[in-house]
Amino acid sequence: EPEVTQTPSHQVTQMGQEVILRCVPISNHLYFYWYRQILGQKVEFLVSFYNNEISEKSEIFDDQFSVERPDGSNFTLKIRSTKLEDSAMYFCASSRGGNQPQHFGDGTRLSIL
Amino acid sequence: DAKTTQPPSMDCAEGRAANLPCNHSTISGNEYVYWYRQIHSQGPQYIIHGLKNNETNEMASLIITEDRKSSTLILPHATLRDTAVYYCMPGPGAGSYQLTFGKGTKLSVIP
Repeated sequence: EPEVTQTPSHQVTQMGQEVILRCVPISNHLYFYWYRQILGQKVEFLVSFYNNEISEKSEIFDDQFSVERPDGSNFTLKIRSTKLEDSAMYFCASSRGGNQPQHFGDGTRLSIL
Repeated sequence: DAKTTQPPSMDCAEGRAANLPCNHSTISGNEYVYWYRQIHSQGPQYIIHGLKNNETNEMASLIITEDRKSSTLILPHATLRDTAVYYCMPGPGAGSYQLTFGKGTKLSVIP
């Protein structure tokens, strides 16, 4: 069964550094998403992306965050200047349509030192 | 915003049916009810969704009350691998595609 894959599984970065999290969505899906989960807390929506542009974003997704689909298969989340509070699990998801079930990857654990 | 209420935790004996309730009294008429689960250290996993009619797939059954104010997810023969946090939520649509996760129900399947 096709699945969403994320790399790396664990990323350790110094505060203030840039980090790029990578995702390969399911191949025939058109909508892409990023969520995050701080340890012990709820899964929170960050951003949705369709037709090469952001369709919706949350308050968490400020100017430090950006997303890109650099080619036909990858979907990336960039954090420009990381802060301690960016430490979390980051999940990528994709769906065939905007109102279709979203399928999640197993996440990247981001640790900011 | 539609809100959902779920019990924080439940136990189920292995091999028995697990019935997980969810109240969603403020869900709007065109919003689907979605169920996901999150096994420890993994990403959320889609289980099932429905609008008005009961639904069944290879993972579970979903029973939605006629007034759509509540639903029950049924795992017919729970296994140890079904131990997870289960979330119900209104589905994406009507201009917003985000999923809003609550705290869910921690289901523990006991041998």
